[in-house]
Amino acid sequence: GENVEQHPSTLSVQEGDSAVIKCTYSDSASNYFPWYKQELGKGPQLIIDIRSNVGEKKDQRIAVTLNKTAKHFSLHITETQPEDSAVYFCAASIRYNNNDMRFGAGTRLTVKP
Amino acid sequence: GAGVSQSPSNKVTEKGKDVELRCDPISGHTALYWYRQSLGQGLEFLIYFQGNSAPDKSGLPSDRFSAERTGGSVSTLTIQRTQQEDSAVYLCASSFGQGQETQYFGPGTRLLVL
Repeated sequence: GENVEQHPSTLSVQEGDSAVIKCTYSDSASNYFPWYKQELGKGPQLIIDIRSNVGEKKDQRIAVTLNKTAKHFSLHITETQPEDSAVYFCAASIRYNNNDMRFGAGTRLTVKP
Repeated sequence: GAGVSQSPSNKVTEKGKDVELRCDPISGHTALYWYRQSLGQGLEFLIYFQGNSAPDKSGLPSDRFSAERTGGSVSTLTIQRTQQEDSAVYLCASSFGQGQETQYFGPGTRLLVL
């Protein structure tokens, strides 16, 4: 089955700096890669996703890049703000195979004002 | 619109007791998932429903865990004879169905077994 590894486990940045979180996956058949943000006491919320037919996707201050050959994908947050502080999870799955989504262990991001 | 809801939000129980956790998926979503999140850990897949059927129960950690879904909507996760290691946040998610892979999560139920 799929195995997703996520790094770093914790990340601390100064407000305004960029933050990068990286994930690798093992199953070359995986073609859907969502990122979730989990705030304290809440469930994970989808913030951005990418499918394997594109290499990069941006949404305001958030971007995700995908390297299919190397089987890794990354989340980039620019101009970080204190409200970006949360735990971020990456995941990988095979489209049309809903029950096979596997999550990384999470990255706790702290943005210092 | 209404998102995924879960109840109770918090549950404290004594070791050996049974507990039932409830999930109400987004209306119209045919796929439903249960995950377990231990303190500071990632999401551990438990079980997946498509409609009322559970084609994948591979994540259930033991036979003390069971889940059902009736009417293609509400799902209940039952843990029998709870153990302290069952303490975790139990998350439910739903998606529109086959081919619609985006999962939407509920707020979770925080279970503490004393």
